[in-house]
Amino acid sequence: GIQVEQSPPDLILQEGANSTLRCNFSDSVNNLQWFHQNPWGQLINLFYIPSGTKQNGRLSATTVATERYSLLYISSSQTTDSGVYFCAVSPGNNDMRFGAGTRLTVKP
Amino acid sequence: GAVVSQHPSWVICKSGTSVKIECRSLDFQATTMFWYRQFPKQSLMLMATSNEGSKATYEQGVEKDKFLINHASLTLSTLTVTSAHPEDSSFYICSARDRGGTYEQYFGPGTRLTVT
Repeated sequence: GIQVEQSPPDLILQEGANSTLRCNFSDSVNNLQWFHQNPWGQLINLFYIPSGTKQNGRLSATTVATERYSLLYISSSQTTDSGVYFCAVSPGNNDMRFGAGTRLTVKP
Repeated sequence: GAVVSQHPSWVICKSGTSVKIECRSLDFQATTMFWYRQFPKQSLMLMATSNEGSKATYEQGVEKDKFLINHASLTLSTLTVTSAHPEDSSFYICSARDRGGTYEQYFGPGTRLTVT
């Protein structure tokens, strides 16, 4: 099956810093989504981005489908950005496969 | 729009009992819903694909007789954990895709199951 690798596994930042999270996948996909899992476990959908670039406030994402990777940019990080960020992909029109996640800690 | 709800949000049950978790798409129809399980500090793992009006498809290693899935309508799927054991304690999350939309999937808030 499709493999999804996220890097780095852990990231510690000072408030106000910028960061880039990466997601590599091993096959063509119809769907790629980035999520932030909050402390209560809920997955917050950040981006649906099987290709191209999107921006939402301090967050932006780029997926280069031909090279099988996606990047999530967080600018001017805040302590509320802390948590686990997941990349998930779907090669078809069905189930999604998740990466192991990046655990982000933003210190005040 | 595109909201998925789960009920209950948390449940504690005794070993040997059964627990039912509901997943509803509130403002769209979903021919397919998915059930995931997440253990502490781990990623989400797909358990099964729930198809409206037909049998669910289970991932390798997931016992279909233990995790009963019913997708009776285009807005409701249920997961029943039968004869629960402490090792079934986990965070269960469902998702759904709008059959009239893109490939984007919408996730429920999750159900935390603790078996004592």
